[in-house]
Amino acid sequence: DTAVSQTPKYLVTQMGNDKSIKCEQNLGHDTMYWYKQDSKKFLKIMFSYNNKELIINETVPNRFSPKSPDKAHLNLHINSLELGDSAVYFCASSQDWDPLYEQYFGPGTRLTVT
Amino acid sequence: AQKVTQAQTEISVVEKEDVTLDCVYETRDTTYYLFWYKQPPSGELVFLIRRNSFDEQNEISGRYSWNFQKSTSSFNFTITASQVVDSAVYFCALDSGSGSRLTFGEGTQLTVNP
Repeated sequence: DTAVSQTPKYLVTQMGNDKSIKCEQNLGHDTMYWYKQDSKKFLKIMFSYNNKELIINETVPNRFSPKSPDKAHLNLHINSLELGDSAVYFCASSQDWDPLYEQYFGPGTRLTVT
Repeated sequence: AQKVTQAQTEISVVEKEDVTLDCVYETRDTTYYLFWYKQPPSGELVFLIRRNSFDEQNEISGRYSWNFQKSTSSFNFTITASQVVDSAVYFCALDSGSGSRLTFGEGTQLTVNP
């Protein structure tokens, strides 16, 4: 069984569109995250949710809106897509927001904005 | 502020050679955690190890070993007798516990040639 899953795996869309990426974890974890990996492979945290509450928002444009309907899901909605949004987006989860617990990553979603 | 530096952008070795990946970190926190992740060509992020700041004991796991030295703020990773399957991007990361957020280094692309 996949621990952290993301859909879709690939997403190609045009500038100005709105798109969503879904993430689900079946590990029973309380904390979930979104990371962005740019074309140079640099990984940076975007958001973190603990028990469905936002705890980290790393100066991400407000075109990005995470939504956590329950502890097992953290979706990422992106409005008015721009070329610079092209990247691989990783979802992750951990048992708790204490760094004592390692983060488990999903397979990534490669977003290409044309 | 936290920072992780992986000065080696790319390393290329021949199979069976030993290789060390360097990681230097900066943090003002006294409690923190250090991590290594592997990203193979398939793209997923694989957790390798976590170390807390109070445990400077080196660790060995099969062909992998880690050398944590607080005096030099380094957490280096050595692969002994490298294999082609070790080819991947390796990321060092830091979490200082002020709300779990991994700060990643830039990554080191390791290529092991047959």
